[in-house]
Amino acid sequence: DAGVIQSPRHEVTEMGQEVTLRCKPISGHNSLFWYRQTMMRGLELLIYFNNNVPIDDSGMPEDRFSAKMPNASFSTLKIQPSEPRDSAVYFCASSLGVLGRRYGYTFGSGTRLTVV
Amino acid sequence: DQQVKQNSPSLSVQEGRISILNCDYTNSMFDYFLWYKKYPAEGPTFLISISSIKDKNEDGRFTVFLNKSAKHLSLHIVPSQPGDSAVYFCAASGVGETSGSRLTFGEGTQLTVNP
Repeated sequence: DAGVIQSPRHEVTEMGQEVTLRCKPISGHNSLFWYRQTMMRGLELLIYFNNNVPIDDSGMPEDRFSAKMPNASFSTLKIQPSEPRDSAVYFCASSLGVLGRRYGYTFGSGTRLTVV
Repeated sequence: DQQVKQNSPSLSVQEGRISILNCDYTNSMFDYFLWYKKYPAEGPTFLISISSIKDKNEDGRFTVFLNKSAKHLSLHIVPSQPGDSAVYFCAASGVGETSGSRLTFGEGTQLTVNP
């Protein structure tokens, strides 16, 4: 298995532009998570899906952020318009249901976003 | 509201000695606690976990201790090796229909093992 695949690995964009981050979870995993890593707050959960349905989006910073999971093998996180304070590393992770809380998630390598 | 806290941003130890990483939590409803390791430019990788009904779990050089009364857990690495140099995240999972598999992470601790 190739693991959780995220693209792009790096993204540099200008303030005000739309940014789309992509994630392919591990085949068979039915839970998908988007996290953001910053120096000050560590890893913050933005949103998670179970069986393609958003379960908890309380961590999404504001309306500029949106996430979709149109099928079991693909998810996107979109920021529109982007701002410099959105600069961070964004991670996608997947797990097999509630087993993730005991055996952990599998994380992708992350997307480093820089908004200038 | 930071429910999982790692108060030490960094730790430096000598190769062969013990590394002790600490984590505190506030939510008594957490039922599993996990440690992740993260190398630069990579995603976090799962290391070890412990159930809230236990006080110790061991896997090779890694041991996690849980003190529920103090709401504190620690990760011991013995002996420490230079390859252990990474950021270590503490995480906790709660119970409930919508939070069952959700992990709450701490801020991370950078461990440096010096040869």
